[in-house]
Amino acid sequence: ETGVTQSPTHLIKTRGQQVTLRCSSQSGHNTVSWYQQALGQGPQFIFQYYREEENGRGNFPPRFSGLQFPNYSSELNVNALELDDSALYLCASSRGGEQYFGPGTRLTVT
Amino acid sequence: RKEVEQDPGPFNVPEGATVAFNCTYSNSASQSFFWYRQDCRKEPKLLMSVYSSGNEDGRFTAQLNRASQYISLLIRDSKLSDSATYLCVVNMRNSGYSTLTFGKGTMLLVSP
Repeated sequence: ETGVTQSPTHLIKTRGQQVTLRCSSQSGHNTVSWYQQALGQGPQFIFQYYREEENGRGNFPPRFSGLQFPNYSSELNVNALELDDSALYLCASSRGGEQYFGPGTRLTVT
Repeated sequence: RKEVEQDPGPFNVPEGATVAFNCTYSNSASQSFFWYRQDCRKEPKLLMSVYSSGNEDGRFTAQLNRASQYISLLIRDSKLSDSATYLCVVNMRNSGYSTLTFGKGTMLLVSP
């Protein structure tokens, strides 16, 4: 096990709603990255947080936002959900080296 | 052109077969390279890093050709437990942060 946990494991939301996904980093890891993996695709980088600041972002609209807390845990927030947001959301923690992935949250938007 | 491209799958092989996966990447500034394994409905897990000198871990051999921007993974003596999706991954360092860019993945199905 990587020591990275995510909650919830599964979630069903309706189009237009908002969702918050949570990630607890491996102990001592100060960097968290979030990825979206649609069915049949590889994970796509959403953004990265380092010491509570967003320090990198992929090609995702502003309705995808995040937070990192002093204990380095993190949240991913998605507003105005769209059907195409249905995916596995993965967080990965690191400390300047290898990224360790959590088990993911599977989001279904209906 | 996609940043990381892999062989489309799936690959269906019998136990004991040798199978090779190929991958190309478009950004010559890419710094480090990996193969990840992803089981159905699970998170990706690091299989091995890939170095220009080539590296081997048991039945798995990875190669990198920076000039051709090409990465490969060879699995010898396939086992049923090797059935999974194999993701080619490139790490790029941008201003102040590094990101992993994943290929679409190639599914391997090993049958008895």
